[in-house]
Amino acid sequence: GENVEQHPSTLSVQEGDSAVIKCTYSDSASNYFPWYKQELGKRPQLIIDIRSNVGEKKDQRIAVTLNKTAKHFSLHITETQPEDSAVYFCAASIRGSARQLTFGSGTQLTVLP
Amino acid sequence: DAGVIQSPRHEVTEMGQEVTLRCKPISGHDYLFWYRQTMMRGLELLIYFNNNVPIDDSGMPEDRFSAKMPNASFSTLKIQPSEPRDSAVYFCASSFRLAYNEQFFGPGTRLTVL
Repeated sequence: GENVEQHPSTLSVQEGDSAVIKCTYSDSASNYFPWYKQELGKRPQLIIDIRSNVGEKKDQRIAVTLNKTAKHFSLHITETQPEDSAVYFCAASIRGSARQLTFGSGTQLTVLP
Repeated sequence: DAGVIQSPRHEVTEMGQEVTLRCKPISGHDYLFWYRQTMMRGLELLIYFNNNVPIDDSGMPEDRFSAKMPNASFSTLKIQPSEPRDSAVYFCASSFRLAYNEQFFGPGTRLTVL
């Protein structure tokens, strides 16, 4: 089955700096890659996703890149703010199949004021 | 839509007791997932349903865990008997098959087994 590895497990940055979280996946059939943000004590919520037919997607301060050849994808957060502090999970899936999302182990991002 | 609804939000019980967690998915969603989240093991998929039918229960840790989905708007996860190592946050999520597998999570049930 699919295996998703996520690095780093913890990340501290100064407010205003950029943060990058990286994930690799094992199943070349995966074609959907969402990122979830989980604030302390809250539920995971989708913040951005990317499909295999594009290499990059951007939404304000958040961007995701995908390299299908290398089977890795990354989350980039620019101009970080304290409210970006949370655990971020990457995941991989095959659209439309009966297969579920396979989640990475999560990255605890701390933005220092 | 109120989103995915879970109850109770918090549950404290003693070892050996039966625990039942409940979930109401978003109306119209035909996939329902049960996850367990702990610091040590992260987000683990326990079981998921499609159109009320269990598809993959390979993540259910042992026979003490069981899940049902009697209709499209209700699912339960039962632990009997409960053990301290079952203490975790249990999330229910739902999705719609024609979407790109986006899953919407409920608020979770924090279970503490003493």
